Amino acid sequence: DAGVTQSPTHLIKTRGQQVTLRCSPKSGHDTVSWYQQALGQGPQFIFQYYEEEERQRGNFPDRFSGHQFPNYSSELNVNALLLGDSALYLCASSLGRASNQPQHFGDGTRLSIL
Amino acid sequence: LAKTTQPISMDSYEGQEVNITCSHNNIATNDYITWYQQFPSQGPRFIIQGYKTKVTNEVASLFIPADRKSSTLSLPRVSLSDTAVYYCLVGDMDQAGTALIFGKGTTLSVSS
Repeated sequence: DAGVTQSPTHLIKTRGQQVTLRCSPKSGHDTVSWYQQALGQGPQFIFQYYEEEERQRGNFPDRFSGHQFPNYSSELNVNALLLGDSALYLCASSLGRASNQPQHFGDGTRLSIL
Repeated sequence: LAKTTQPISMDSYEGQEVNITCSHNNIATNDYITWYQQFPSQGPRFIIQGYKTKVTNEVASLFIPADRKSSTLSLPRVSLSDTAVYYCLVGDMDQAGTALIFGKGTTLSVSS
């Protein structure tokens, strides 16, 4: 039973560029959430997708956008990259309609901005 | 979502029992308490979740007093591999895909 998979594992970009990160949820899960984790901090919620729509959003600018595909996989896009966007980006999946089901995390994409 | 407070760090030795307490004074009726473990360069891993009293699984126990304003994660006989950051989260898990609110967590260091 495959867990949450993310790609790529590492990425280096320069300021002003754009990046796309990808996530495949755990088998059977239909909800995907994205988190940003800066060094030494806990993960911060970016947004969540369910039924191909953004359902919740954290305190992140519009430079952060996403998409969910019919197979429940998801992408996170970040435009006009800033140095402060350097972080570990985590994807978590869950079963949207089930109660008390914990979110399962992938191991993230380490994004470095030069 | 209720805010949580937990110690920044704890130290222990192999074979000891470790108890990490989390305060959540404003916990709501529908809120569950969930603990995650995170190793460096990995995503958080679900450890245990509970609503009231005591929950036990193969990894840990979670003790929740009657007023639910705090909870204690108990790790029996820790080993070096239990060195990690532990996060306590509180939220309404009955809502579809609740957005998890993480604090800074508790960094547990286990020594031999």
